[in-house]
Amino acid sequence: GEDVEQSLFLSVREGDSSVINCTYTDSSSTYLYWYKQEPGAGLQLLTYIFSNMDMKQDQRLTVLLNKKDKHLSLRIADTQTGDSAIYFCAEDMGRRALTFGSGTRLQVQP
Amino acid sequence: DAGVIQSPRHEVTEMGQEVTLRCKPISGHDYLFWYRQTMMRGLELLIYFNNNVPIDDSGMPEDRFSAKMPNASFSTLKIQPSEPRDSAVYFCASGPMGQGGEKLFFGSGTQLSVL
Repeated sequence: GEDVEQSLFLSVREGDSSVINCTYTDSSSTYLYWYKQEPGAGLQLLTYIFSNMDMKQDQRLTVLLNKKDKHLSLRIADTQTGDSAIYFCAEDMGRRALTFGSGTRLQVQP
Repeated sequence: DAGVIQSPRHEVTEMGQEVTLRCKPISGHDYLFWYRQTMMRGLELLIYFNNNVPIDDSGMPEDRFSAKMPNASFSTLKIQPSEPRDSAVYFCASGPMGQGGEKLFFGSGTQLSVL
């Protein structure tokens, strides 16, 4: 089936780095995305990467893409309590709509 | 801009009743999407529109679900009759036309509970 896979839960201490992993499904995806969902809210785009890149850095966020293995990761440096949320990876599968993973709940311990 | 506006925020209804969820996309966005979020199935795309025309409705679960976009500033998702398994958070999102990497802007969702 078409499943974008993520681990369900990650717990880190404040100040540490967090790494959230994702395996996507479709090599035709042009862009891959990371979205963040806070409690009671919709999803917000954090960052995205073009499929012919292997890395993108945006302030505390680093995205790594391994196209061969269809593996995407999001690293958050100096994780803060405000980073506690659910993180979704998503792929476009060559179309305008996005297919989302199941989400990784990040818990940041003070 | 106020962002994507969904109403109601919460809806509690009884099985068999008709439910209508509403969405006002961001002005100027050409695309509108309806997603459903549940613990079991995560985020599922139900349907999306381009310039008010449905492009892909393959995610609509069954004939009880219907969606319309009568104009560029309004869309509805209707469930008739509703069933307890329809309980979920329903999100509307909109996005601009573009070459790729565009954001989807999500509304705050409608929490639907069917008793």
